[in-house]
Amino acid sequence: ILNVEQSPQSLHVQEGDSTNFTCSFPSSNFYALHWYRWETAKSPEALFVMTLNGDEKKKGRISATLNTKEGYSYLYIKGSQPEDSATYLCAFDNYGQNFVFGPGTRLSVLP
Amino acid sequence: DGGITQSPKYLFRKEGQNVTLSCEQNLNHDAMYWYRQDPGQGLRLIYYSQIVNDFQKGDIAEGYSVSREKKESFPLTVTSAQKNPTAFYLCASSIGPGQHNQPQHFGDGTRLSIL
Repeated sequence: ILNVEQSPQSLHVQEGDSTNFTCSFPSSNFYALHWYRWETAKSPEALFVMTLNGDEKKKGRISATLNTKEGYSYLYIKGSQPEDSATYLCAFDNYGQNFVFGPGTRLSVLP
Repeated sequence: DGGITQSPKYLFRKEGQNVTLSCEQNLNHDAMYWYRQDPGQGLRLIYYSQIVNDFQKGDIAEGYSVSREKKESFPLTVTSAQKNPTAFYLCASSIGPGQHNQPQHFGDGTRLSIL
């Protein structure tokens, strides 16, 4: 079974702080990595699909980087806002057959 | 609007009963998936189907069964053999097998509780 880890499990930040968290995945046979944002009482929403080593993607204040050689991806949030509070999931794309999800990082942004 | 519909949102089951969770999509996606989430844990794959009339076991298939008779529907049956069925169940779909760069799209989930 493929193992995907995320850290930290949860964190609390003040509004306006910037933050980042990590997704670790197997570095061999890399295909793609997906980031999702999951707000309470909603369905997970796709943020980014990362495919190439060195990829850096950005959507507003949220960005992500990818290092396939060492098997990690970072998600950054600049100037956190209360509406950023959610669980952020990464998923290792197993050759398009299925995804292996990490346990998620629960972010709480305090006003 | 295209999307994935899961029903019901909340479901209660007596011990020893089978129960079926519905998942319908109108996105014309070939692949569909069922996940389970328990408190403090990530999404774990139960079953997935890449095409009509075909499906594969995921990591935690024991005590569950599925069918894929139609492209748009992928119902999940939680059988009495599943010893700890209380959980949140999510259904997802994607364009198709071998299509990397394509995210999965999720329904709103069904919360199953044992009475």
